[in-house]
Amino acid sequence: ETGVTQTPRHLVMGMTNKKSLKCEQHLGHNAMYWYKQSAKKPLELMFVYSLEERVENNSVPSRFSPECPNSSHLFLHLHTLQPEDSALYLCASSQGGQPNEKLFFGSGTQLSVL
Amino acid sequence: AQTVTQSQPEMSVQEAETVTLSCTYDTSESDYYLFWYKQPPSRQMILVIRQEAYKQQNATENRFSVNFQKAAKSFSLKISDSQLGDAAMYFCAKETSGSRLTFGEGTQLTVNP
Repeated sequence: ETGVTQTPRHLVMGMTNKKSLKCEQHLGHNAMYWYKQSAKKPLELMFVYSLEERVENNSVPSRFSPECPNSSHLFLHLHTLQPEDSALYLCASSQGGQPNEKLFFGSGTQLSVL
Repeated sequence: AQTVTQSQPEMSVQEAETVTLSCTYDTSESDYYLFWYKQPPSRQMILVIRQEAYKQQNATENRFSVNFQKAAKSFSLKISDSQLGDAAMYFCAKETSGSRLTFGEGTQLTVNP
């Protein structure tokens, strides 16, 4: 039991599709994160939510739309993606949202955009 | 932009032996946190060890320890008595007050039986 669950594990979508990634944490944490992991590149922070408010958006294109309905759930809505968006998308949570806190990660969604 | 550099894309070690993974970083800050995360084939990243820069003593977690050289901006991870389950991608990361983690590109560790 990882404490952070992501679904689906794999996703293949066309450039005109709309899909959503889901993340759920069972740790009672107040902060949740989306990271993008591309091959041969460092992890890139996309969004940070603290107490359900978006506190950080790292210049992510608008074709990625996050949603945090409560402190346990985080979504990433995808539409009109590009092939270069193919990557592993990781969700994480932490206790209070401070940068020096331990992050708890899910197993990611491997996204392929055709 | 802050950078974290892992100069070894791949490393290998024999089971029960010791291996050291290197990490260097760029900063002008005096206080910050450094991390090593492990990503096994399951893809779930797990914190291995954390070091606060103002603490002189190197952090240790069981078989994992760090060699933190603040002046040299170096933060290497030593794995002792390597086990097959240690095989994974290892990421070095740095935090500075007010900014989020910056990750290195990772080192793929293979453990040979």
